[in-house]
Amino acid sequence: GESVGLHLPTLSVQEGDNSIINCAYSNSASDYFIWYKQESGKGPQFIIDIRSNMDKRQGQRVTVLLNKTVKHLSLQIAATQPGDSAVYFCAYQGTGRRALTFGSGTRLQVQP
Amino acid sequence: ETGVTQTPRHLVMGMTNKKSLKCEQHLGHNAMYWYKQSAKKPLELMFVYNFKEQTENNSVPSRFSPECPNSSHLFLHLHTLQPEDSALYLCASSQERARGAAYNEQFFGPGTRLTVL
Repeated sequence: GESVGLHLPTLSVQEGDNSIINCAYSNSASDYFIWYKQESGKGPQFIIDIRSNMDKRQGQRVTVLLNKTVKHLSLQIAATQPGDSAVYFCAYQGTGRRALTFGSGTRLQVQP
Repeated sequence: ETGVTQTPRHLVMGMTNKKSLKCEQHLGHNAMYWYKQSAKKPLELMFVYNFKEQTENNSVPSRFSPECPNSSHLFLHLHTLQPEDSALYLCASSQERARGAAYNEQFFGPGTRLTVL
């Protein structure tokens, strides 16, 4: 299920450190922004979403920040674990649409 | 079976073959999607079905023909494909609610890795 062949930016962190994955978007007409995680051989898995009228949302070990002024979205993972190693995609759901538009992804590598 | 399943997981076909990809969701959802994940592009939407009706076609070539016989099954019929169609084809489903409701999480299957020779 990995994006083999795409030149993905890679973030390498030590186990236990915090990770920050960034995403820039261009479409302002979006209701929701979403982060997905894709492990090798699997389909994307939902992590967290944030509505466009919010700036921050927290989940279990993850926080998503949305800055609409500069059209920037970030995913923060606290105390990163080896199981967090995957490709992370940001996506948005346009106003009135069901389908998602995905970014190109960031590969997170966690060093034990 | 749970979640979203896809068969086959791997498929190799020639340009003159006709094959079909199958997706089944066991979540009771009412919307299903086909996405394409290729080596050179981000995940991109192909088709959306809602209550068995196609609601979006993202300018997909006619050599890809979707079929949704019921809310649980989605097919992608393939014919006269090109080598550049080689990719991972992902199916997803979601439960659509009223406009303005919380984001309707899309659940993805593991994908079919397609190679066109």
